Amino acid sequence: NAGVTQTPKFQVLKTGQSMTLQCAQDMNHNSMYWYRQDPGMGLRLIYYSASEGTTDKGEVPNGYNVSRLNKREFSLRLESAAPSQTSVYFCASTLPGHPYQPQHFGDGTRLSIL
Amino acid sequence: QKEVEQDPGPLSVPEGAIVSLNCTYSNSAFQYFMWYRQYSRKGPELLMYTYSSGNKEDGRFTAQVDKSSKYISLFIRDSQPSDSATYLCAMSPNDYKLSFGAGTTVTVRA
Repeated sequence: NAGVTQTPKFQVLKTGQSMTLQCAQDMNHNSMYWYRQDPGMGLRLIYYSASEGTTDKGEVPNGYNVSRLNKREFSLRLESAAPSQTSVYFCASTLPGHPYQPQHFGDGTRLSIL
Repeated sequence: QKEVEQDPGPLSVPEGAIVSLNCTYSNSAFQYFMWYRQYSRKGPELLMYTYSSGNKEDGRFTAQVDKSSKYISLFIRDSQPSDSATYLCAMSPNDYKLSFGAGTTVTVRA
């Protein structure tokens, strides 16, 4: 059982380039999330999708777009990469409900923008 | 001011010591309180979860929530080198949208 799979694991881009980070989960979860993790800042929510067909902005959405392709897949796109977007990006998924259902995280995509 | 404040450490303790971690928060609407553990180059994984106030114990781990003081704690007893990781507190007003602390890096020395 793979859980949450993120591709690629590492990427180096030049300023202005675009790319899409892929995320897929095989746990039949409804909700999916994209976070970025920076030193001293913790995990910050970029976008989330409460269910298939819906997406909402999180805390730091500027410079990003998302697509909830189907129930399994949630992609994050950088249209014109900037050095400030250098970070580690995590995708997570969960099945909301009581009792609390934990968010399951992938192992991250390490992105450097030169 | 951040919604969730967590001392980033680092914290270094000898094997067998008690590790004490804490977070403070400002949003009184938070009801769900979690601790995630993150090993190097891995994603976070849920360690403990508490709903509303109170204590919760799971093996060597104890989580405490004091909503009146807006303060949560995690204690690790009889710490082991395998406990060396970054510990992230997280909290939420509902059951799906989390606010995270910056994380505390812990090293347990053998």
